[in-house]
Amino acid sequence: QLQLQESGPGLVKPSETLSLTCTVSGGSISNRSYYWGWIRQPPGRGPEWIGSVYYVGTTYYKPSLQSRVTISVDTSRNQFYLKLSSVTAADTALYYCARNVLGESLEGFDYWGQGTLVTVSS
Amino acid sequence: DIQMTQSPSSLSASVGDRVTITCQASQDITKYLNWYQQKPGKAPRLLIYDASRLETGVPPRFSGSGSGTDFTLVINTLQPEDMATYYCQQYENLPLTFGGGTKVETK
Repeated sequence: QLQLQESGPGLVKPSETLSLTCTVSGGSISNRSYYWGWIRQPPGRGPEWIGSVYYVGTTYYKPSLQSRVTISVDTSRNQFYLKLSSVTAADTALYYCARNVLGESLEGFDYWGQGTLVTVSS
Repeated sequence: DIQMTQSPSSLSASVGDRVTITCQASQDITKYLNWYQQKPGKAPRLLIYDASRLETGVPPRFSGSGSGTDFTLVINTLQPEDMATYYCQQYENLPLTFGGGTKVETK
């Protein structure tokens, strides 16, 4: 059974960089049928796609976040990563990693991590 | 970005009721729509893809329909475990975008 697990600091100071790791187990991150995505959900609101990465490093980002986001992958560790720079309180959210189905383009998310709450505060 | 608008934002229903949730896209997304269920403290769960195809393991009381800009999720014979928030998500264009959610509560 595929499992994803987010890890990283739960508290980040304003203007600093948020860094999260997603560890994939029970399957290979090099599976050619999937991208690997980051999604966040502010308290009480709907999910927001941040971006997704392919096992060879190809990335797609939400344009409004693109200047601050870097998503990368390490196939040897079966992990992928999120870095979000210059954070503000508006970046406070529950951050999820998920498997992103690849069809003609990116589609839905069929496996999710449990999520990790990141609070931006001094 | 394609905007996804769900209605209602919340509803109260009784066990055994038929529940209908709608999702409207700001432009034509053909059939490229997913539905998710999210319970408190849990990650979303994919229920339906391609607007009407049931994900493996999802009970058949869930069904989806629609194309273009208007879509519907129906829960037939609502069960206690169906109390949750439901989200639609389009994948016609990047960026992938979600609706604001519909919370289904017990009457």
